[in-house]
Amino acid sequence: EAGVAQSPRYKIIEKRQSVAFWCNPISGHATLYWYQQILGQGPKLLIQFQNNGVVDDSQLPKDRFSAERLKGVDSTLKIQPAKLEDSAVYLCASSSRGPLENNEQFFGPGTRLTVL
Amino acid sequence: GDSVTQMEGPVTLSEEAFLTINCTYTATGYPSLFWYVQYPGEGLQLLLKATKADDKGSNKGFEATYRKETTSFHLEKGSVQVSDSAVYFCALRDWRAGGTSYGKLTFGQGTILTVHP
Repeated sequence: EAGVAQSPRYKIIEKRQSVAFWCNPISGHATLYWYQQILGQGPKLLIQFQNNGVVDDSQLPKDRFSAERLKGVDSTLKIQPAKLEDSAVYLCASSSRGPLENNEQFFGPGTRLTVL
Repeated sequence: GDSVTQMEGPVTLSEEAFLTINCTYTATGYPSLFWYVQYPGEGLQLLLKATKADDKGSNKGFEATYRKETTSFHLEKGSVQVSDSAVYFCALRDWRAGGTSYGKLTFGQGTILTVHP
């Protein structure tokens, strides 16, 4: 079975520019997560989708970050405009059942963003 | 809120040495506990898990026991190999009865393990 796919793997931009990341979860997985992993820290959840609806976006900086999962399959995370502190690895994960069920999350390889 | 604290790293060991990585947690509900591993250039992978007190998770020679009385989930391996070199993350998933935690994962800061031949 194919894993979680993410692109691009690396991105370098200047502050105040915009950037978008793409994630394709494992086929059939209903729940999709975006995490931010700053160097030296553990991943932190940004947003969680169940199919095409948002379950939890309490830690998403909504003034500059947005995310969508229009058809309940792949997802896009956007930053506009980027700040230096947004430099991090952005991880996408998916799981097969609902967010309140204790099933494994599978992680993609991540997109490493550098903001100069 | 929920939090996970891991021992400070990095940890450097010789092959066949005994490994312990300490992990303690704070949670208000009924958490499940996990260890994830991140090999160089790869994504996070689930290493082992435990869903209730006194459960022992094990995989690939690694073990961890869910200790509710000490709120700990320490990772151990009796004899490490060079191939175990990676970053290890302790995490919890809180299941608050009737709550709205949505089962998100809360991670520790990670511990870098380097094993020399």
